[in-house]
Amino acid sequence: IAGITQAPTSQILAAGRRMTLRCTQDMRHNAMYWYRQDLGLGLRLIHYSNTAGTTGKGEVPDGYSVSRANTDDFPLTLASAVPSQTSVYFCASSDKGQGADTQYFGPGTRLTVL
Amino acid sequence: GQNIDQPTEMTATEGAIVQINCTYQTSGFNGLFWYQQHAGEAPTFLSYNVLDGLEEKGRFSSFLSRSKGYSYLLLKELQMKDSASYLCAAMDSNYQLIWGAGTKLIIKP
Repeated sequence: IAGITQAPTSQILAAGRRMTLRCTQDMRHNAMYWYRQDLGLGLRLIHYSNTAGTTGKGEVPDGYSVSRANTDDFPLTLASAVPSQTSVYFCASSDKGQGADTQYFGPGTRLTVL
Repeated sequence: GQNIDQPTEMTATEGAIVQINCTYQTSGFNGLFWYQQHAGEAPTFLSYNVLDGLEEKGRFSSFLSRSKGYSYLLLKELQMKDSASYLCAAMDSNYQLIWGAGTKLIIKP
């Protein structure tokens, strides 16, 4: 059992390019989340999904979009990357979503936008 | 607004005890989480408190005071592998986690 996988591990991207970060979980968790982590700041929620077919905006959603076509996959797309989107991106999942669930994290994607 | 405060960095000696404090302000409250994050790795779950008091789990314990908006993580018998960042996160009324910036713990031999 892999838990949560993310791809790519790292990426250098030219500004203005489109990029999709992939996230897959095999725990059959209902809820999934995308966070970014920047030095000196706490994890900030970008988008979330409480169940397949639904998504919601987090604290910093601008410039990002997500989809949740099935339980396992939750891709994050940057439509036109900008340097301020340079960050480490973590995908997470939890069993129920609406409840005090523990969130489990993927290994992260380190993204650099030049 | 919603806010989590924790010290940026702490240093402790191998074999000793260290307490990492966290204060929080959230819109509603559904519990307090502690995560450990080694450099370059993902956060991993350590503990969850929703009622006042101390929860002990091996060398790690976590305390919560809801009336004071305060929690701490206590690490005993420190080992070199405990060198990591410790993240405090409070769950608000919408079941969203509000995260602190993390406390980097440096363990010296």
